[in-house]
Amino acid sequence: DVKVTQSSRYLVKRTGEKVFLECVQDMDHENMFWYRQDPGLGLRLIYFSYDVKMKEKGDIPEGYSVSREKKERFSLILESASTNQTSMYLCASSLSDRASRGYTFGSGTRLTVV
Amino acid sequence: AQSVTQPDIHITVSEGASLELRCNYSYGATPYLFWYVQSPGQGLQLLLKYFSGDTLVQGIKGFEAEFKRSQSSFNLRKPSVHWSDAAEYFCAVGSTGGGNKLTFGTGTQLKVEL
Repeated sequence: DVKVTQSSRYLVKRTGEKVFLECVQDMDHENMFWYRQDPGLGLRLIYFSYDVKMKEKGDIPEGYSVSREKKERFSLILESASTNQTSMYLCASSLSDRASRGYTFGSGTRLTVV
Repeated sequence: AQSVTQPDIHITVSEGASLELRCNYSYGATPYLFWYVQSPGQGLQLLLKYFSGDTLVQGIKGFEAEFKRSQSSFNLRKPSVHWSDAAEYFCAVGSTGGGNKLTFGTGTQLKVEL
């Protein structure tokens, strides 16, 4: 019954490493999103994608990039990880013409950069 | 730009007591509104949503919310809280175009005393 899968629940990386966070959905959703969640700040949108190979910056894109080569997969890339990117990362997906249905979320990846 | 305010960072209630979590939004048109719940270490689960029609909406786990346009509010309520309701709750507002991007509040942490 799992609909949005994030490949890792916990991840520890070193400063300067290139980090890939993977997200796969099996609902044929057009839209996919990456958020980071920090205490007291709620969820902040990093990037989103409306379709394959399309991406748009969210509110806090600095230090991140994304890739969407296939409809079901949306990857978040930290080109050179830094300690201030230690956070919980949440992936979500939705249908493009069903705004009223909201999002389906993955379980999250807790990333620690040391 | 749309925005959401959850004025209460932490709320503590006794088991069996009633609960109301506050949410105020800012949006130029009729919004889509959502409440999500996040248990520790998990992703977000949709509790309920409003997009049109009856302003009192029912959700899962015995929760309900009321949309009040005059007050720009969408408060979440439950008549009798159970210990398992302890979690973090997020209110979100959605746009009616552009890929139904959601903007989240900063969350309210609910603690339930036995």
